[in-house]
Amino acid sequence: DAGVTQSPTHLIKTRGQQVTLRCSPKSGHDTVSWYQQALGQGPQFIFQYYEEEERQRGNFPDRFSGHQFPNYSSELNVNALLLGDSALYLCASSAARDSYYEQYFGPGTRLTVT
Amino acid sequence: GDSVTQMEGPVTLSEEAFLTINCTYTATGYPSLFWYVQYPGEGLQLLLKATKADDKGSNKGFEATYRKETTSFHLEKGSVQVSDSAVYFCALIHNYGQNFVFGPGTRLSVLP
Repeated sequence: DAGVTQSPTHLIKTRGQQVTLRCSPKSGHDTVSWYQQALGQGPQFIFQYYEEEERQRGNFPDRFSGHQFPNYSSELNVNALLLGDSALYLCASSAARDSYYEQYFGPGTRLTVT
Repeated sequence: GDSVTQMEGPVTLSEEAFLTINCTYTATGYPSLFWYVQYPGEGLQLLLKATKADDKGSNKGFEATYRKETTSFHLEKGSVQVSDSAVYFCALIHNYGQNFVFGPGTRLSVLP
């Protein structure tokens, strides 16, 4: 059983560009959360998707947007990239029927903005 | 809002030394508390958890006790190994919420 997968593994973009990161949840999971982990810091919650809707959002600007597909996979889009967007982006999946804390993290996508 | 504070690293220990990483939190109500570990180049792995006051979480020789009176969840291990070298994150989540609040992480290096 594959766990949470994310693509790509690494990505280099230029300031002002747009980027799309992808996440496939663990089998049987229907909820996807996204976190940003800047270098040397703990992960910060961006938003969570359930039933193709954004259910909760952290303190991130509208440049950060997402989408969830009928197969429960998810995308994170960041527009007008800033140098400060350089970070490891983590996806976590869970099942609404399970305990609220049963979230499984993927390996992350390392985004570098130059 | 909720927050988690951890002792600053890096922490460097010799193999078989005793480990303590302090964690305190600020939150309304009674969140569940967690320790996650991140090995180089990898995502987060759940190490242990405690969902109510006085619970002790344990796994792989690590343990932590949920202390409501001191709002703490300190991580301990009696004898560390080189393979324990990683970054450790303390985190909380409420039973009515969907997202974790993480501390800044503490890097542990264990020398042979």
